[in-house]
Amino acid sequence: QVQLQQWGAGLLKPSEALSLTCAVYGGSFSDYSWTWIRQTPEKGLEWIGEINHSGSTNYNPSLKSRVAISVDTSKNQFSLRLRSVTAADTAVYYCARGQRGYYYLDLWGRGALVTVSS
Amino acid sequence: QSALTQPASVSGSPGQSITISCTGTSSDVGSYNLVSWYQHHPGKAPKLMIFEVSKWPSGVSNRFSGSKSGNTASLTISGLQAEDEADYYCCSYAGSSTVLFGGGTKVTVL
Repeated sequence: QVQLQQWGAGLLKPSEALSLTCAVYGGSFSDYSWTWIRQTPEKGLEWIGEINHSGSTNYNPSLKSRVAISVDTSKNQFSLRLRSVTAADTAVYYCARGQRGYYYLDLWGRGALVTVSS
Repeated sequence: QSALTQPASVSGSPGQSITISCTGTSSDVGSYNLVSWYQHHPGKAPKLMIFEVSKWPSGVSNRFSGSKSGNTASLTISGLQAEDEADYYCCSYAGSSTVLFGGGTKVTVL
């Protein structure tokens, strides 16, 4: 059974960089796109971006200047880095598996709360 | 890009049918049959309920159905059950390899 396990720092100060990693256990890594999404009470779910096994990325235009998603195929892991965070970046961050070209997410991680506070 | 528009809340009694709308534009929902729906119970991982407008993933009840007309997609839950009480989000491909979510709809079973 395929599982996604995510981890990273949960408390950040304004201007710091958010860093999260998601590991994929079981199943194929190369057949899918690997996606980050966040959830806030104000906006609901927000698509952050995606990466495939070859490192090709797509990002939400509203976050593109601050976000980077990377992949480590040797470990079946992908990572999110969001720099210069503010309180508005406080959210639950999810990693998910996407169907390439069809843009739906059929497997999600459990989510990780990231709080930005001085 | 603006989020897709969903009603904040929808409610119904057990056994009834409810429909959640998801309104986008001709640049997203209206242009692509790539609308998906997710059920989210707080504290749990979101769950895919419908993909490509009206298709069911394995294991999802056919009480959930999806459709689309113009720039508006809809999720209908038939035979409403207590376990259906959750937040529901629509999602659409928006072109240029980007994706939009709706703001979410809280479904309450009365």
